[in-house]
Parts: sequence; C-alpha cells; structure tokens
Amino acid sequence: DAGVTQSPTHLIKTRGQQVTLRCSPKSGHDTVSWYQQALGQGPQFIFQYYEEEERQRGNFPDRFSGHQFPNYSSELNVNALLLGDSALYLCASSPFGSGESNQPQHFGDGTRLSIL
Amino acid sequence: AQKVTQAQTEISVVEKEDVTLDCVYETRDTTYYLFWYKQPPSGELVFLIRRNSFDEQNEISGRYSWNFQKSTSSFNFTITASQVVDSAVYFCALMNTGFQKLVFGTGTRLLVSP
Repeated sequence: DAGVTQSPTHLIKTRGQQVTLRCSPKSGHDTVSWYQQALGQGPQFIFQYYEEEERQRGNFPDRFSGHQFPNYSSELNVNALLLGDSALYLCASSPFGSGESNQPQHFGDGTRLSIL
Repeated sequence: AQKVTQAQTEISVVEKEDVTLDCVYETRDTTYYLFWYKQPPSGELVFLIRRNSFDEQNEISGRYSWNFQKSTSSFNFTITASQVVDSAVYFCALMNTGFQKLVFGTGTRLLVSP
C-alpha cells in the first residue's frame, strides 16, 4: 500500500520563475492538503483540496495555486518565485470524503525547493 | 485564533533517560483535535497520536505516553528510556472540526546521544 508520494524530491529555481509540485495521495484518501515548512519552523497550511475544489486556504498570496485531478492527485503551483519561497513543501492526504473527518493526515517526504 | 506553543526549541538527553516534550495550545473551539508528529531527517511527518478534546484520558503506547490536561491547555509527550532512534523533531498540532487544517507548533528537536 503506497503512502503519499511527492515529486520531485528537490528543485532549484531562480527568482521570478514558476514551479509545479506534484502529490499522489495514499490509497483510499480523497483529500489533499499542502503545507510550507521553512527551515527551523513548523509546517504552515497553504490550502486543501477535496472533490477537485479548494476547500480552505491559509494565509498565502495568490501566487500559490493548486489543482486536484479526478484521481485525487494534486499539484501546487507557485508563480513569480521569491527567495522567501525556499522551503520544504509537504503534501498530506486524508479520507475526508468517506465521512472519516479529522482522521490523521498522512504526509509525504516533501519537495525541497531552493530559490537562487 | 488557534495557536500551538512548543517552548522547548531543543532538548539533549543521554540514552535511557526519560524526556518530556511540552505543548500548550490556544483555541476558542469547544471541539478540537490534538496531534503529535515526528519528523526524522528524511523530512516525512510521522503520525504518533490523535486526541479529541472530550477525551482527557492519558494514553500509553510502549515507551511513549501523552498527558492531556484541558484545564491548562496542555498536551505533553513523554518518552521513557529514550533511544538514539528517537532523535528527531517533534511537532504538536491542533485541528478544528470540519476542515482538516493542522496548526503546528514550531517543534522541539530531540537529540539522544549514546
């Protein structure tokens, strides 16, 4: 049973560029959440997707956008990259739609994004 | 507003010592969930425990135990007889009902030396 998988593992970009990160949820999970974890900090909630729609959003600018596909996988897009976007981006999945709300979120290994 | 505070930035212990990681939370919700996650150097957050706000019973799982005290808004985590493999960053997190947004503390780095 595969857990949450994220790609790529590492990514280096320059300021102003755009990036797309990908996430496949754990089998049986239909809800995907994205978090940003700066060095030495706790993860910060970016947004959550369920039924291909953004259900909730954290305090992040519109440069951060996402998408969920019919197979429940998700993408995180960041435009006009800033040095401050350098962080570990974590994807988490959970079985919200099955009625099992508030079940633990399962996290992937993350994508480490470095902005030069 | 929801907030989680982990005042201990880093703790160093010698193997076999007991160690307690502190977590204090703030929320206006009457129903909420508390979590502990472990983050090894690989980066993945590993789920350890979930506790809902109506269940103040302490829990023990092997060498791990959790003390939830609603009166002091604390959810502390104790590792008994620590081992080198326990070295990691530990996060306490809070979730409101309905939406599954986790609010994390800043984490406590635990270093267990042989």
